[in-house]
Parts: sequence; C-alpha cells; structure tokens
Amino acid sequence: EAGVAQSPRYKIIEKRQSVAFWCNPISGHATLYWYQQILGQGPKLLIQFQNNGVVDDSQLPKDRFSAERLKGVDSTLKIQPAKLEDSAVYLCASSNLLGTEAFFGQGTRLTVV
Amino acid sequence: GESVGLHLPTLSVQEGDNSIINCAYSNSASDYFIWYKQESGKGPQFIIDIRSNMDKRQGQRVTVLLNKTVKHLSLQIAATQPGDSAVYFCAEMRDTGNQFYFGTGTSLTVIP
Repeated sequence: EAGVAQSPRYKIIEKRQSVAFWCNPISGHATLYWYQQILGQGPKLLIQFQNNGVVDDSQLPKDRFSAERLKGVDSTLKIQPAKLEDSAVYLCASSNLLGTEAFFGQGTRLTVV
Repeated sequence: GESVGLHLPTLSVQEGDNSIINCAYSNSASDYFIWYKQESGKGPQFIIDIRSNMDKRQGQRVTVLLNKTVKHLSLQIAATQPGDSAVYFCAEMRDTGNQFYFGTGTSLTVIP
C-alpha cells in the first residue's frame, strides 16, 4: 500500500516570498491533516479536512496560510508571504473516517532566510 | 491550556535493556492515543494505539499502558535495539473531530 506522498522534500525561500506544498494521501482516506513541526517540538495541527471540507482550521494563521483540498483527494498548503518563523517541517497525514492510525508523509522541510 | 506532555526529554538505554517512555495528558475527554516514532528526517511512524476503554495493549516488542485515573500513558519497548533510537511522541485524539494533538517528544538513544 502506498503511503502519504509529499513534495517537495526541501524548500528554501526568502522572507516575503510565497511557497506551496503538495500532499497525496493514502487512497481511500477521507481525512487529511497538515501539521507544522518546528525543530525540537512535536507536530502542531494546522488544518484538518474531511473529504473536501474543513473540519478544523483554528490554528491556521489565516492571514498568510491557506490550504485546499478541492476534489477531496490531494491537498495543497500555501504560505504567502513567508516569515522567518515559518521555518519548519510541514507534515501531511491521512486517516480513515474513524481517525484511527493516522499515517504521515515524509514532510517538507521549509527554510525561510 | 490543555496539553499533552512528556516527563523526560531524553532517555539513554543500553542495547538489550527495556525502555519506558512516559506521557502525561490533561484532557480527560481524550479517548484515543497513539505512540509515534520519528527518525531524523522522516515523518512520524505509527507504532501502537490504545483506546480509553483499555488499560494495556501489546504489539511486537512494544506495550502501551494507559492509566486514566492519573491521565498517564507509557510506551514500553522490550529488548531495545539500536534501530529504536528516535524521538517518540504520544498523540491524543480528543472526542471531537478526530484531531490529533502531540506532546514535545522524548529522544531515545540506544547505547550499543
């Protein structure tokens, strides 16, 4: 079974630039999560989708972050404009409708300089 | 605010010994917990889960114990191997919306 796919693996941008990350969840998983993991910390939930609807985006900095999952499968997370403190690993995870056994992708390591 | 936290940030064990990693949670409404292992440069990897109606669950070389009275869970790794070296996170799923909340993590180092 293929896992959660994310791209790119690494990205370096200057502050105030924009960046986008892509995630393809495990086939059949209705729930998709985006997490931000700052070095030395646990992942922090940014947004949760169920199919193409947003379940929880309470911790998403909506002034600069946006995410979509238009067809209920792939998802993109965008940051515009980026700040230095956005440097982190952005993890995508997916799970079944019960929420059990959420599986993570490898993550995208973002460095803002 | 409510949070999931770990007692120890680092743990070193000799190869072959048993490891115990602890986690405290504060939300009594949490009903599902997962332990994840994260190796350097990789995403968190599912190890084992437990529901709040259970006290113990065993996997291959791993056991998770849940004490709802004191809101504490632990991950026991038997016969720890060098490949077990990683950061271990506990994550709780609260009873609304299936969101997972992670603690800070414990870095486990296995000494050959």
